[in-house]
Amino acid sequence: DAGVIQSPRHEVTEMGQEVTLRCKPISGHNSLFWYRQTMMRGLELLIYFNNNVPIDDSGMPEDRFSAKMPNASFSTLKIQPSEPRDSAVYFCASSLGQGIHTGELFFGEGSRLTVL
Amino acid sequence: KQEVTQIPAALSVPEGENLVLNCSFTDSAIYNLQWFRQDPGKGLTSLLLIQSSQREQTSGRLNASLDKSSGRSTLYIAASQPGDSATYLCAGDTGNQFYFGTGTSLTVIP
Repeated sequence: DAGVIQSPRHEVTEMGQEVTLRCKPISGHNSLFWYRQTMMRGLELLIYFNNNVPIDDSGMPEDRFSAKMPNASFSTLKIQPSEPRDSAVYFCASSLGQGIHTGELFFGEGSRLTVL
Repeated sequence: KQEVTQIPAALSVPEGENLVLNCSFTDSAIYNLQWFRQDPGKGLTSLLLIQSSQREQTSGRLNASLDKSSGRSTLYIAASQPGDSATYLCAGDTGNQFYFGTGTSLTVIP
């Protein structure tokens, strides 16, 4: 398996623009997670899905952030409008959940977002 | 909310030394415990997973243990090498998600 695939790897945009990050989880995994990593705050969980259904989005910082998982092999994280404080590395991870528990997490390479 | 502390925050050792990284959780009800490695500009690579029925896992020069009664985990690296230089993060599953520590930055000096 190719692992968790994220795109784009790097994105530079101007404040106010819409940003869409994409993720393809490992085939067969039923849980998908979006994380944000910054030097100041470390790794933060934004939202996670189980069987394509959003379970917990309490980590989504504002209404400017939204995430979808239309099918088991694709998810998007959208920021509209983007702001400089959104600059971070955004990671997608997937796992084969064990009941209510997560199972082993596998991460993508991340999308480094810079908002000017 | 689960809080995860990793000590030390940074560590520099000469090549060949054995070392221990520590991780502690405020909520000791941990189901799965996972250790990751992160190289600069890269994603997190899974090193070891200690599942609910286990107390330790070994992979090559790495050994991770979990004391559920105290909510503490250690990652032991034997005979460290320069290629081990990276940031090491622990993460514990106490429900529907993993809670991550802030990591230990390891530098192994040739």
